[in-house]
Amino acid sequence: EVQLLESGGGLVQPGGSLRLSCAASGFTFSSYAMNWVRQAPGKGLEWVSAIIGSGRSTYYADSVKGRFTISRDNSKNTLYLQMNTLRAEDTAVYYCATSGRWLGLCDYWGQGTLVTVSS
Amino acid sequence: EVVLTQSPGTLSLSPGERATLSCRASQSVSSSYLGWYQQKPGQTPRLLIYGASSRATGIPDRFRGSGSGTDFTLTISRLEPEDFAVYFCQQYVTSPYTFGQGTKLEIK
Repeated sequence: EVQLLESGGGLVQPGGSLRLSCAASGFTFSSYAMNWVRQAPGKGLEWVSAIIGSGRSTYYADSVKGRFTISRDNSKNTLYLQMNTLRAEDTAVYYCATSGRWLGLCDYWGQGTLVTVSS
Repeated sequence: EVVLTQSPGTLSLSPGERATLSCRASQSVSSSYLGWYQQKPGQTPRLLIYGASSRATGIPDRFRGSGSGTDFTLTISRLEPEDFAVYFCQQYVTSPYTFGQGTKLEIK
């Protein structure tokens, strides 16, 4: 059974940094591309970033390019999202999701971790 | 960036009725790299449809996806009480892999 467990969310001031983690189990992690998708309170889904299985290629939404960095440690079955220069509009629940079939398509989702950017 | 526009914003129907949800892309979504997701209140999104028309594992056959190019449709043939939720379409043909703004399906 695919399991994804996000952690690292919390309250951070504008301009601050945070690193999210997503611990994966139940599948061959290194064979799957992975995504981060976020959802602001009461709003829709926004795809944030993706990384292929080897980690050699990464992709970003324009809204986070240059501020966020996606990475993975296949030896630890863990996905990361380093978020710098955070803004109020980054406040959201952040989900990690697998892309087993095609890059960008989110097959399985974690429960999410809430990031609140506020002074 | 491919912009996806979903309509209607809210759809009010009764159990047993047929629901038709639309997703229109600002440019052609080649190879039908279009997915649909369902999100119930307080829950994580769930993949329903990929490749515009293929049902994901465990999805009942009352959910049907169709369309190509720039116009896609999700049809729910006979609404069950558990189908009332928010539905999102997503294109994954090119990064950024954008979502539509969602259609809320509510009980009439």
